[in-house]
Amino acid sequence: DGGITQSPKYLFRKEGQNVTLSCEQNLNHDAMYWYRQDPGQGLRLIYYSQIVNDFQKGDIAEGYSVSREKKESFPLTVTSAQKNPTAFYLCASSIGTGTGVNEQYFGPGTRLTVT
Amino acid sequence: AQSVAQPEDQVNVAEGNPLTVKCTYSVSGNPYLFWYVQYPNRGLQFLLKYITGDNLVKGSYGFEAEFNKSQTSFHLKKPSALVSDSALYFCAVREETGRRALTFGSGTRLQVQP
Repeated sequence: DGGITQSPKYLFRKEGQNVTLSCEQNLNHDAMYWYRQDPGQGLRLIYYSQIVNDFQKGDIAEGYSVSREKKESFPLTVTSAQKNPTAFYLCASSIGTGTGVNEQYFGPGTRLTVT
Repeated sequence: AQSVAQPEDQVNVAEGNPLTVKCTYSVSGNPYLFWYVQYPNRGLQFLLKYITGDNLVKGSYGFEAEFNKSQTSFHLKKPSALVSDSALYFCAVREETGRRALTFGSGTRLQVQP
């Protein structure tokens, strides 16, 4: 899982509450990503950021928000607008995209359950 | 738009036999291709990537993959499977230009029987 930490490992929330998932990396990577994993659907990109103070929507950004105020941190907020928030959330990072095509390193994930 | 297909939900193979996990892709232009492995309740681990050059790419833990441009495929292979190879495998693609983020396939579960 490299130098990427996600906390907590398991998270439980009531429907209608916003919740923020933490992602921190000490790899000095410029780019960071958030994915959602559901059974049988692989990973789907929520948001990504190539540099501090900049981020782009992925394929399923609705109901989510992010910030990138520091290079090492990329928190994801799951808002009450997200209709099916229960999932396994994975954070990843990679060396700056301007320096070739680099693999992503993944954190251990956070399993969010909303009831 | 870029996409990846992994046509098999599960692959079963006996320990010691060769294994293949299939992947086909669709991109505009040249592809960058990756394989990752995931063990239960863990993040993904990088296995190998194809950027350019030799069509046969060697990666971690004895895995290799063959890039076939005419068939738009990037199948993962290993000459002799181990029980410890049992896991979920993901193929991913990125276009040479455009969005600098990976698109993943749905995953293939590899089960190696002793």
